[in-house]
Amino acid sequence: AQSVTQLGSHVSVSEGALVLLRCNYSSSVPPYLFWYVQYPNQGLQLLLKYTSAATLVKGINGFEAEFKKSETSFHLTKPSAHMSDAAEYFCAVSFISGAGSYQLTFGKGTKLSVIP
Amino acid sequence: GAGVSQSPSNKVTEKGKDVELRCDPISGHTALYWYRQRLGQGLEFLIYFQGNSAPDKSGLPSDRFSAERTGESVSTLTIQRTQQEDSAVYLCASSPQGNYYSYEQYFGPGTRLTVT
Repeated sequence: AQSVTQLGSHVSVSEGALVLLRCNYSSSVPPYLFWYVQYPNQGLQLLLKYTSAATLVKGINGFEAEFKKSETSFHLTKPSAHMSDAAEYFCAVSFISGAGSYQLTFGKGTKLSVIP
Repeated sequence: GAGVSQSPSNKVTEKGKDVELRCDPISGHTALYWYRQRLGQGLEFLIYFQGNSAPDKSGLPSDRFSAERTGESVSTLTIQRTQQEDSAVYLCASSPQGNYYSYEQYFGPGTRLTVT
């Protein structure tokens, strides 16, 4: 069974500081991994995805994530935080169910606060 | 182009009443997913449609929950005899195809359901 663990339900960083949001996964098959961002009262927006190509994945808004198989991790980083980055971030793993759907299994989310 | 839309955006209902939640996917997307996001929890998969068929209903929490899709377009999630534990944000996502190799899931803004 697949699962996703996000360490830290709430992370605070200063504007201009490094953003690091942690995600570890458990999967019995090679995973396909995603990071989504959710702004208040909005739906989820895809930041980036790993689909077994390059292990370092670049996404929108300056975010990137590195797939590390040995550590079963897919941490999200951004070199310099902006105020506009304040949102909730979800890590997810995709797998095919027995019935053929490619449903996503999500972590519980990490709320990022950016301090001016 | 238009994204995924959901209605209503907010719904308050009394315990025991039935509710219908609507999802309009992106035109041409054959795959449609419903997820539930309870407070402090990650998103939980509910049901998957490919066209008008629902080959994966494994996430529906009880027989009070049902969903249908017509015209390979609009989907309705119905909750009968609502309970307080049904309070959550219900998110709909669509995808051009059922597989994840090239296509991510595009999420709507969600319907916030409150059962009093």
